[in-house]
Amino acid sequence: DVQMTQSPSYLAASPGESVSISCKASKSISNNLAWYQEKPGKANKLLIHSGSTLQSGTPSRFSGSGSGTDFTLTIRSLEFEDFAVYYCQQYNEYPWTFGGGTKLELK
Amino acid sequence: EVQLVESGGGLVQPGRSLKLSCAASGFTFSSFPMAWVRQAPKKGLEWVASISSGGGGTYYPDSVKGRFTISRDNAKSTLYLQMDSLRSEDTASYYCARRGYAGAHWFAYWGQGTLVTVSS
Repeated sequence: DVQMTQSPSYLAASPGESVSISCKASKSISNNLAWYQEKPGKANKLLIHSGSTLQSGTPSRFSGSGSGTDFTLTIRSLEFEDFAVYYCQQYNEYPWTFGGGTKLELK
Repeated sequence: EVQLVESGGGLVQPGRSLKLSCAASGFTFSSFPMAWVRQAPKKGLEWVASISSGGGGTYYPDSVKGRFTISRDNAKSTLYLQMDSLRSEDTASYYCARRGYAGAHWFAYWGQGTLVTVSS
């Protein structure tokens, strides 16, 4: 199975700052990577697929980059609504696997 | 608006069975592949089953293969997950998810989940 390793597990930041979350795959997954946002009481939200393609409705302050084994989710100019848990997911091969999550907390 | 509403969760003893349902609305259900994803308490996400738009193709990870069965009723816009021989490690919130489109293996929309607790 492809192991997905996210770092950091926790990240504290303030509104207006920019943050980056790393997701590393145990083998090459081309650009077959998605990013999701999890918030309490809400359905998970797809932010980005294909490594860097913003899903319709995702604010432009979110961006994704990378291919192969190393990927990054960047959020520029954080807003209060961005404080949440973020997961990456590879869909290059079965079984599809997720990273362990990164909790973005308010500093 | 896409809506996915799961039901059927609850407390079940180890070794017993449970069937989850997911009622879909706001899109042409029969046109999209669907999936189930679970999240154990304080753990990350785990994909557990996928099904093609017509229902002819199903896929599972080894952790549930042979015990879980995904199915769909396109006439009722409903997705199912039959879970047999349940184990304590199957305790989790189970989410119904719609894939982006046929061939898109990401999860474009999610439900809010139904909790399954496996305990004696």
